[in-house]
Amino acid sequence: NAGVTQTPKFQVLKTGQSMTLQCAQDMNHEYMSWYRQDPGMGLRLIHYSVGAGITDQGEVPNGYNVSRSTTEDFPLRLLSAAPSQTSVYFCASSHLREFSYNSPLHFGNGTRLTVT
Amino acid sequence: TQLLEQSPQFLSIQEGENLTVYCNSSSVFSSLQWYRQEPGEGPVLLVTVVTGGEVKKLKRLTFQFGDARKDSSLHITAAQPGDTGLYLCAGVNTGFQKLVFGTGTRLLVSP
Repeated sequence: NAGVTQTPKFQVLKTGQSMTLQCAQDMNHEYMSWYRQDPGMGLRLIHYSVGAGITDQGEVPNGYNVSRSTTEDFPLRLLSAAPSQTSVYFCASSHLREFSYNSPLHFGNGTRLTVT
Repeated sequence: TQLLEQSPQFLSIQEGENLTVYCNSSSVFSSLQWYRQEPGEGPVLLVTVVTGGEVKKLKRLTFQFGDARKDSSLHITAAQPGDTGLYLCAGVNTGFQKLVFGTGTRLLVSP
């Protein structure tokens, strides 16, 4: 039972390069999301999805694209990387509930991205 | 934008000491979750508090949700080195998409 799997664990990009951060879950969770974590700022929501074919923006969506073609996968794309996107990125999933108090977010172990 | 401020940001204590971490907001939340994160890993849920004034205990950890559902606290009794980590509160609104994380409290417990 792998849970939420993120790849790669580490990545260094140059400004302007593009890349895709991969996220896969094997728990049949409807809800998937991407967060970035920066010192002193907690976790900020980038994009989320409540099911295949449905995505929406979070708090800090600019510079990132997502798609959800299957229940299992939720890749995050950086089209033109900028130094401000240096961060640790977490993918998280959960069963979808109208009221989430009994549905914790399950997180992957993160991708540490550096943009030079 | 809803904000959750945690205090203190950093806490370094000796094994056996007690501590309290605070999570405050000007917004009302349906419920509040607490997560712990260890280096190189994602956060893991510790507890969810739902009702204003609710108190939940998890061994040496005591969680309280404020009466007005705008704030919460985490109290650790007799801290141990295994409690070391980043503690994050997260406010939940109806519609799971609106989970808002706090700024985090980094705890170091030395033997």
